[in-house]
Amino acid sequence: DSGVTQTPKHLITATGQRVTLRCSPRSGDLSVYWYQQSLDQGLQFLIQYYNGEERAKGNILERFSAQQFPDLHSELNLSSLELGDSALYFCASSSSAGPRQETQYFGPGTRLLVL
Amino acid sequence: EDQVTQSPEALRLQEGESSSLNCSYTVSGLRGLFWYRQDPGKGPEFLFTLYSAGEEKEKERLKATLTKKESFLHITAPKPEDSATYLCAVASNYKLTFGKGTLLTVNP
Repeated sequence: DSGVTQTPKHLITATGQRVTLRCSPRSGDLSVYWYQQSLDQGLQFLIQYYNGEERAKGNILERFSAQQFPDLHSELNLSSLELGDSALYFCASSSSAGPRQETQYFGPGTRLLVL
Repeated sequence: EDQVTQSPEALRLQEGESSSLNCSYTVSGLRGLFWYRQDPGKGPEFLFTLYSAGEEKEKERLKATLTKKESFLHITAPKPEDSATYLCAVASNYKLTFGKGTLLTVNP
C-alpha cells in the first residue's frame, strides 16, 4: 500500500458525459501528479500540482482539467468523453518539487470505460 | 523531448535463471531515474531511484545500475512471484517519462 488513495476504482459512463476522479496523496506529500495509461500509449503524464498550484503540464487534452484543494487532495475532471478516453488513470504523489525529483508513489488507479 | 526505450519488450525465464533488463534514455537534465514494478490492473510499485551515473541500488533479488545513457535492472535467481511488467522512467522538468516496460514471466 503506497498511501495514495483514489476513488472510484471503476467508472462506466457514456460518450459525451463528464466524470470526476479523486485522489488523496500520501500524508505530508505536497505534489500530486496525474497519469493516463492505455494499452497502446503506456503511462502518459497529464499534469502536476504542487501545494495547490499547477506546476507542469503534459499531454493533457483541453477537455480535461484538474485542481488541488487546500487539504491537498486533487480532482481530475474529464468532460465530453470519447471512446478513446477509456483507460486507467493514476494519481501519484511526492514530498516536494525541488531540483531532484523525489520518488513518486502511485495510487491503485481508476479504470474508466466509456461506452 | 525526453525518450525512454526499454528492452526486451518481453522476457521469459525459468526460475533461478538470472538476466538483465535494459532502459536506454535521452533526457535534457536528468533529475532522477526510477524503476517500478506493475502487476496487471494495479498501480506502479516503486522499486529504485537512481540519481547519478555509477550509482547502484539493491533490494532482494533486484539490482539497479545507472550510466549516462542507460540503466539496467539485474534479476538474480528470479522466482515466479517476480513475474510482472517492469517500468523505467526518467525525470526532468517536474514530470516522469515512462518507457513501455518489459513484461517478465518467470516459470517454475
